[in-house]
Amino acid sequence: KAGVTQTPRYLIKTRGQQVTLSCSPISGHRSVSWYQQTPGQGLQFLFEYFSETQRNKGNFPGRFSGRQFSNSRSEMNVSTLELGDSALYLCASSYGLAGVDTQYFGPGTRLTVL
Amino acid sequence: AQKITQTQPGMFVQEKEAVTLDCTYDTSDPSYGLFWYKQPSSGEMIFLIYQGSYDQQNATEGRYSLNFQKARKSANLVISASQLGDSAMYFCAMREVGTHNQGGKLIFGQGTELSVKP
Repeated sequence: KAGVTQTPRYLIKTRGQQVTLSCSPISGHRSVSWYQQTPGQGLQFLFEYFSETQRNKGNFPGRFSGRQFSNSRSEMNVSTLELGDSALYLCASSYGLAGVDTQYFGPGTRLTVL
Repeated sequence: AQKITQTQPGMFVQEKEAVTLDCTYDTSDPSYGLFWYKQPSSGEMIFLIYQGSYDQQNATEGRYSLNFQKARKSANLVISASQLGDSAMYFCAMREVGTHNQGGKLIFGQGTELSVKP
């Protein structure tokens, strides 16, 4: 089975621009979660989508948004980029069943905001 | 509030020796899962091992085992016979699925950087 894929792998943007990151989950997985990783704050949960619905959201401003398509692929969007948005953005997929199921991560998108 | 604590920012181990990475957690939810992930310098998070709160036995996966002490709220990762390729950041994570169910949200610790010496 193919793993979680994320595109692009690297991105350089300037302040004020917007960016869209893409995540394709493992085949059969219906849940996609997004995380932001920075040296200062560590790994922080952004949001989770399951069957095209946002199931949970972390503590991030409204500039961060996402969506999920019928094939479970997900995108996240960051508008009006700030320098502090520079981070590694990781997405993870799982079956999304009740109870605990393991999340598998993609390689990440490294975003640099200048 | 739910929290994961990893008190060892960095550790060194000699190749072929065993090493224990510490993780303590805090939750009032009776049902939860504990995970360990490995993150090499490339950035990808690699799943290593999982322990459920109701599991009676410690989880094992190849050279990885989880020393689960529920009363002490600790879930230490033990890597046996360390290899040079084990050098990486290691993260402990928790997911609550009972009374505080937050869907797929994982809470991570700050990580431990493991360096394996030849």
